[in-house]
Amino acid sequence: SQKIEQNSEALNIQEGKTATLTCNYTNYSPAYLQWYRQDPGRGPVFLLLIRENEKEKRKERLKVTFDTTLKQSLFHITASQPADSATYLCALETSGTYKYIFGTGTRLKVLA
Amino acid sequence: DGGITQSPKYLFRKEGQNVTLSCEQNLNHDAMYWYRQDPGQGLRLIYYSQIVNDFQKGDIAEGYSVSREKKESFPLTVTSAQKNPTAFYLCASSSFERNTDTQYFGPGTRLTVL
Repeated sequence: SQKIEQNSEALNIQEGKTATLTCNYTNYSPAYLQWYRQDPGRGPVFLLLIRENEKEKRKERLKVTFDTTLKQSLFHITASQPADSATYLCALETSGTYKYIFGTGTRLKVLA
Repeated sequence: DGGITQSPKYLFRKEGQNVTLSCEQNLNHDAMYWYRQDPGQGLRLIYYSQIVNDFQKGDIAEGYSVSREKKESFPLTVTSAQKNPTAFYLCASSSFERNTDTQYFGPGTRLTVL
């Protein structure tokens, strides 16, 4: 079955540094992969979508890469700020079903 | 404002009681979803619906039921058959625009069984 793995350990970084989060998947070749942000006690909010034929996608301080050979996506936040502290989830859609599989998320804490 | 709403935000239930969680969207989305989130875990799919009057089981449907009588509404009933219902429940909706599809989530309902 399809499986998504994210580093379950919290990531602590200093303000101004680049945060890099990893999402690995197995047993599947998704057409696209998504990243969401979730704050405590709230629903996830969509950030970025990257398609299988795109190597990289950017939005302001955010950058996502997608390596279909490694079956891995990397999510970068440059010039990180304490307000970026949250849990970040990756998700992929199982082809043709409109069902989504979510990773467990990585909690990021940006230290001032 | 377009969006997706869930109510109530907090819900307490006694063991053995059924309870219904509300989810409404005005985004004109065809697909709607219910997820369960436990502490330190990702989202697990309970049920989803692609069209009115039709829905499919997700990965953890046992002990839950849904209906989709209107495009805007997708209520979830947590029945007494659900052995461990205490969790954070999230409703989401999406359109069917392939390869650009994203999910819009509601604020969630935290259910506690006393």
